[in-house]
Amino acid sequence: AQTVTQSQPEMSVQEAETVTLSCTYDTSENNYYLFWYKQPPSRQMILVIRQEAYKQQNATENRFSVNFQKAAKSFSLKISDSQLGDTAMYFCASLNAGNMLTFGGGTRLMVKP
Amino acid sequence: EAGVAQSPRYKIIEKRQSVAFWCNPISGHATLYWYQQILGQGPKLLIQFQNNGVVDDSQLPKDRFSAERLKGVDSTLKIQPAKLEDSAVYLCASSLGGGWGQETQYFGPGTRLLVL
Repeated sequence: AQTVTQSQPEMSVQEAETVTLSCTYDTSENNYYLFWYKQPPSRQMILVIRQEAYKQQNATENRFSVNFQKAAKSFSLKISDSQLGDTAMYFCASLNAGNMLTFGGGTRLMVKP
Repeated sequence: EAGVAQSPRYKIIEKRQSVAFWCNPISGHATLYWYQQILGQGPKLLIQFQNNGVVDDSQLPKDRFSAERLKGVDSTLKIQPAKLEDSAVYLCASSLGGGWGQETQYFGPGTRLLVL
């Protein structure tokens, strides 16, 4: 069984600054994928970034990057140059070999002008 | 490319009534998922289809929930009879289903259900 934990229910950041969202997970599998999804108030879940566990290099997508620490089972998301449109719920999720996606409880991020 | 479509967007019903949700996945996606998202929580998988076959329905409350994907494309999720605790957003997602590495899931806008 997989578990995903997001320990920060809410966070805020000033526009243009950097924020890091934390995520830890537990899995018994050797190969898996990790994801960060964004869910704005309109509720459409949008993929932000994904990481393959066998790749040591941290994934990057424009202003979004991850810090993947496999031994520590940690997968944090860094948002640089935060924008007002980044305000949303952020969910960390892990995918196992059976293609079952397990989500964390989410972190509500507020970007302040 | 069109995304995952869901309807209706909102539904309000009385407890013990029935309700059905519809999902049309991204064209060419073989795998379809239904999730339940209770307010303030992450989505929980209810059922996973590969084409028109069920892969995993271990978390589907089968006494009241049912789902089908008869032709391997569109899917419907039904609740009969509804309970107050079924109030949630029901999300549909799809993925290519071509095997490991192609399983990024893309989500629809969801159906918000309120049971009174």
